[in-house]
Amino acid sequence: IAGITQAPTSQILAAGRRMTLRCTQDMRHNAMYWYRQDLGLGLRLIHYSNTAGTTGKGEVPDGYSVSRANTDDFPLTLASAVPSQTSVYFCASSDSASGSPDTQYFGPGTRLTVL
Amino acid sequence: QKEVEQDPGPLSVPEGAIVSLNCTYSNSAFQYFMWYRQYSRKGPELLMYTYSSGNKEDGRFTAQVDKSSKYISLFIRDSQPSDSATYLCAMGVNNFNKFYFGSGTKLNVKP
Repeated sequence: IAGITQAPTSQILAAGRRMTLRCTQDMRHNAMYWYRQDLGLGLRLIHYSNTAGTTGKGEVPDGYSVSRANTDDFPLTLASAVPSQTSVYFCASSDSASGSPDTQYFGPGTRLTVL
Repeated sequence: QKEVEQDPGPLSVPEGAIVSLNCTYSNSAFQYFMWYRQYSRKGPELLMYTYSSGNKEDGRFTAQVDKSSKYISLFIRDSQPSDSATYLCAMGVNNFNKFYFGSGTKLNVKP
């Protein structure tokens, strides 16, 4: 059982380039999330999806887009990367129908550097 | 003002000490209160959560919520070097999509 996998593990990207971070879960969780983690700011929600086919904006959505074509995959796209998007990105999933937050699991993260 | 405030530390204690980690918050509507542990270069993992006020104990860990003071705590008894990590508090209303995280406190337990 893998849980949540993210790819790539790390990436250095030139400003202006397009980049897609991949996230896959095998727990059949209905909800998925993307967070970014920056020193001194903690984790901030970028986008979320309550179920396949739906997405919503989090606290810091600008410059990012997501799609949820199926239950397992939730890719995050940076259309035109900027240096302020340098961060560690975490994907998470949860069984939100359970009514309890103890089903939320995080992936290992993607370290992204935009130069 | 940030929704959740957490002292970043670092906090350094000897093995066996009792550790107290704390967060304050401003939104009185928060009902779910979580503590996550994050090892270096890993994703956060949920340690404990409480709903509304009160205490919750799980082994060496105790979580406390004081809604009147908008203050939550995590106590670690008999701390071990393996407890060395960053501890993140998080809280939300009743919608999993709106968790607000503290910036994390880095804990170092010295053998």
